[in-house]
Amino acid sequence: AQSVTQLDSQVPVFEEAPVELRCNYSSSVSVYLFWYVQYPNQGLQLLLKYLSGSTLVKSINGFEAEFNKSQTSFHLRKPSVHISDTAEYFCAVSGVNQAGTALIFGKGTTLSVSS
Amino acid sequence: DGGITQSPKYLFRKEGQNVTLSCEQNLNHDAMYWYRQDPGQGLRLIYYSQIVNDFQKGDIAEGYSVSREKKESFPLTVTSAQKNPTAFYLCASSPSGAMGYGYTFGSGTRLTVV
Repeated sequence: AQSVTQLDSQVPVFEEAPVELRCNYSSSVSVYLFWYVQYPNQGLQLLLKYLSGSTLVKSINGFEAEFNKSQTSFHLRKPSVHISDTAEYFCAVSGVNQAGTALIFGKGTTLSVSS
Repeated sequence: DGGITQSPKYLFRKEGQNVTLSCEQNLNHDAMYWYRQDPGQGLRLIYYSQIVNDFQKGDIAEGYSVSREKKESFPLTVTSAQKNPTAFYLCASSPSGAMGYGYTFGSGTRLTVV
């Protein structure tokens, strides 16, 4: 069965500093990988996803994630964060659970950016 | 624009009351899901439906009920049997079998017991 581990529950950083949110997954089959962002009192929004091809995927707001098959990781990075990046971030992997084909979510990482 | 609409955004429930959370989508997606979100616990699956008139229990279905009479609609009822209903509830949808699509989420309903 697939699973997702987000290694940090909270990541505090200062504005303009780089950040990395770590995500490891386990799966015995080929997977699709996703990062979602959730701002306070809102739903989750898709940030970026890896389906195939280039292992480095980028979002429109400066985030990027790299699929590393040998390390079963899909870490999210940004070279310089803004206050507005403060949010909760969820890593997810496509898999099979009791819901059939579904997304398996990590428990989330809260990114707090301060000035 | 296509999307998922959850209503109301905030809901208050008295002890012993049943309340129903609405979820409507116009994306023509077959599959719909209900999640509960509590601080530090991530997303926990309550119920899911992959086709009209069929739904299945998720990990924490006790005290909840759903219906799927129309493709567009997947309402969630929080019954009086749910002992700790205060939480943020998220509805999501996806095309059936499209593993690379991911989910589209609604904006959530925050339920508080008063």
